[in-house]
Amino acid sequence: ETGVTQTPRHLVMGMTNKKSLKCEQHLGHNAMYWYKQSAKKPLELMFVYNFKEQTENNSVPSRFSPECPNSSHLFLHLHTLQPEDSALYLCASSPLLAGGPTDTQYFGPGTRLTVL
Amino acid sequence: GQNIDQPTEMTATEGAIVQINCTYQTSGFNGLFWYQQHAGEAPTFLSYNVLDGLEEKGRFSSFLSRSKGYSYLLLKELQMKDSASYLCAVMDSNYQLIWGAGTKLIIKP
Repeated sequence: ETGVTQTPRHLVMGMTNKKSLKCEQHLGHNAMYWYKQSAKKPLELMFVYNFKEQTENNSVPSRFSPECPNSSHLFLHLHTLQPEDSALYLCASSPLLAGGPTDTQYFGPGTRLTVL
Repeated sequence: GQNIDQPTEMTATEGAIVQINCTYQTSGFNGLFWYQQHAGEAPTFLSYNVLDGLEEKGRFSSFLSRSKGYSYLLLKELQMKDSASYLCAVMDSNYQLIWGAGTKLIIKP
């Protein structure tokens, strides 16, 4: 059973809308991640937070804005998205950000985003 | 650049054995992970290898050769529920996971 939840599970939005994705982990982990998953493509790492501090931003456009108020919650704020941003957005958490089997990432079910 | 290669799709028969290969070229190596992802669901952790050799876990085994930049996931006694995508990921020197595009495994009766 996954201890990572995401809401909403499905989201349809227009290009001028503002929406937010929410992720919550109940595993006591210290690192949290946002990924984008498009069909037949590798998972794309977007943002990494370690102990609430952002440690990675993989050249993500500014229309995606992350927020991590505490180690258990992660948000992705969306603004003026493009149709090519339609994808599955996955949140994950891991105990540490230090490598090894203790850094196994546990994923939420994802939010299926469609931008019209 | 960093690269993970795995076959796009494979088909196997229920009860049989299938081997899914993964080759990688990354900046550094801090372990290789295999995940299973059923359609519309979250990826779930299957195995972790950091030393050369075979790790067995029930019907699933994972092999690693660091010198060859190669791993495989071996699934035995295939069941219909094993139909899923299998993702290979390598942790690089910055402790980032580099992901393959996944192998869709189709099990036929």
